Amino acid sequence: AQSVSQHNHHVILSEAASLELGCNYSYGGTVNLFWYVQYPGQHLQLLLKYFSGDPLVKGIKGFEAEFIKSKFSFNLRKPSVQWSDTAEYFCAVNRKGGKLIFGQGTELSVKP
Amino acid sequence: EAGVAQSPRYKIIEKRQSVAFWCNPISGHATLYWYQQILGQGPKLLIQFQNNGVVDDSQLPKDRFSAERLKGVDSTLKIQPAKLEDSAVYLCASSLERPYEQYFGPGTRLTVT
Repeated sequence: AQSVSQHNHHVILSEAASLELGCNYSYGGTVNLFWYVQYPGQHLQLLLKYFSGDPLVKGIKGFEAEFIKSKFSFNLRKPSVQWSDTAEYFCAVNRKGGKLIFGQGTELSVKP
Repeated sequence: EAGVAQSPRYKIIEKRQSVAFWCNPISGHATLYWYQQILGQGPKLLIQFQNNGVVDDSQLPKDRFSAERLKGVDSTLKIQPAKLEDSAVYLCASSLERPYEQYFGPGTRLTVT
């Protein structure tokens, strides 16, 4: 079955620490890749996306993600987190035109 | 640009009762999605509409869930009768036909007691 795995369920960091959240998927072939973020009390928002081209994509608020096809991975990174980055982060994958499959989410808590 | 609108935001019902959720997508978005998000999990697609037609309803429990999208705009999702395990947040999303980027509404938090 098609699946998306996020390795960390809950990550706790201090401000200014670097962040990397893992995401692996089980599809073969061409895929679209997404990271969504849900801030407390808010709706899901798109953080960044990869459709094709440069495998290193930059999103909003200083986030970036790298698509490594050979590893079926799309890890999210940020060099220096802020308290305002406290949120839940979801990786999602679909084949062209197919349904979006989400990972189970990673809750990030940033201590001021 | 107005976002995806959903109502109600919260609903508490008893098991075996019925409930309906409403969604108004972003203007011009042909594709509309309903997701179920159980606490501690990622959203799971229930049904996808392309204009008026159903594209994917493979994970919709059709014995109790139904959805419609009249005139290719607004959509309603209904549960009848509700079970305890239906307690979840129901998310509506919309997108242009391409490039598949989905925009989510605030969701309806359903509690079944």
